[in-house]
Amino acid sequence: AQKVTQAQTEISVVEKEDVTLDCVYETRDTTYYLFWYKQPPSGELVFLIRRNSFDEQNEISGRYSWNFQKSTSSFNFTITASQVVDSAVYFCALSETSGSARQLTFGSGTQLTVLP
Amino acid sequence: DGGITQSPKYLFRKEGQNVTLSCEQNLNHDAMYWYRQDPGQGLRLIYYSQIVNDFQKGDIAEGYSVSREKKESFPLTVTSAQKNPTAFYLCASMAGASGNTIYFGEGSWLTVV
Repeated sequence: AQKVTQAQTEISVVEKEDVTLDCVYETRDTTYYLFWYKQPPSGELVFLIRRNSFDEQNEISGRYSWNFQKSTSSFNFTITASQVVDSAVYFCALSETSGSARQLTFGSGTQLTVLP
Repeated sequence: DGGITQSPKYLFRKEGQNVTLSCEQNLNHDAMYWYRQDPGQGLRLIYYSQIVNDFQKGDIAEGYSVSREKKESFPLTVTSAQKNPTAFYLCASMAGASGNTIYFGEGSWLTVV
């Protein structure tokens, strides 16, 4: 069975600090997809990134970067020079390609608070 | 604008009453989902539908019902059989096959009073 673990329940940083959110996953599939979503206080889930299991190239988008390492089953998310607007709950999720379309599993989320 | 619209945003229900949450999408997505989120927790799948007139139970379907009569609509009914319905409900949709990106609506807060 697939599983996503976000061991950091809450993180607080001061503005302009860098912060890394950890995500570890378990799956028996060789083909799968990993996602990060942001949930601001308003509640909606905002899609940030989707990565397939065959693409281990790290990705950078502005202040955001993602480090995917299959060897350690991790898909970590780093925010550089954090800002107050980054305060939100961040979810990591895993989608297997076998089985039905329901196979999207979320971690329990990490509450990030960026203090001014 | 394309997207997923959930209504109402906030809903209060008396114990013993059924309530229906609306979810409409104009993204032409085939699959639609309902998730439940409890405070401080992740999302749990209630029901999903891959095509019109077909849907399957998720991990916590007891006390809920859905219908998929139109591609763009996937309403969720929280029945009186749901013992602890107070939660945040999120509707989502996805184009095509498994593994594509799932997009979410803005959610609906349900409180039982």
